[in-house]
Amino acid sequence: QEKVQQSPESLIVPEGAMVSLNCSFSDSASQSIWWYQQHPGKGPKALISIFSNGNKKEGRLTVYLNRASLHVSLHIKDSQPSDSAVYLCAVSMNYNQGKLIFGQGTKLSIKP
Amino acid sequence: EAAVTQSPRNKVAVTGGKVTLSCNQTNNHNNMYWYRQDTGHGLRLIHYSYGAGSTEKGDIPDGYKASRPSQENFSLILELATPSQTSVYFCASGAWDWGSSQNTLYFGAGTRLSVL
Repeated sequence: QEKVQQSPESLIVPEGAMVSLNCSFSDSASQSIWWYQQHPGKGPKALISIFSNGNKKEGRLTVYLNRASLHVSLHIKDSQPSDSAVYLCAVSMNYNQGKLIFGQGTKLSIKP
Repeated sequence: EAAVTQSPRNKVAVTGGKVTLSCNQTNNHNNMYWYRQDTGHGLRLIHYSYGAGSTEKGDIPDGYKASRPSQENFSLILELATPSQTSVYFCASGAWDWGSSQNTLYFGAGTRLSVL
């Protein structure tokens, strides 16, 4: 069974700082890696996904995937108070089934 | 934006009672999913469906049944609710997009269930 571990558990940074979140997974046969954002009392919302080794950038978000080390990271540039949320890393084992295995999440707080 | 609606938003049930959680999606997605979210465990997959009439067991199906009577609706049924099923339940829908080569899941706002 695939295992997904996220670090740190929580993070507090000042507004405008660069944020780095980490995620490790156990199965090199995993397909896409996803990052979801979850605000209190809401459902998770997909932010960005990556399949190939390397990096992918979308707006203020950059994700890096290293399949050899089974590690993926999410970087948020110029953080805003509205970025305060729980960030969930999720691994898809079958590209078209949509079944995701989630990590426990990182709680991010941006201080104005 | 894809729309997934869950009802009820909050539910208090008694041990041994029957509970039905409902989910409706207007995205015309083939796939639907039920997850539960607990502190320390993250989101865990209970049941999922590939279309009307189909249900499949996820990673933690014991104590739960699912029903997919139509493309739009997917229900989660607790026949004999227990306190260990106290949790927040999320429904999601998704479909493979050949254009972007990805399967994005869209989640509802969740149902908070307390079993006393």
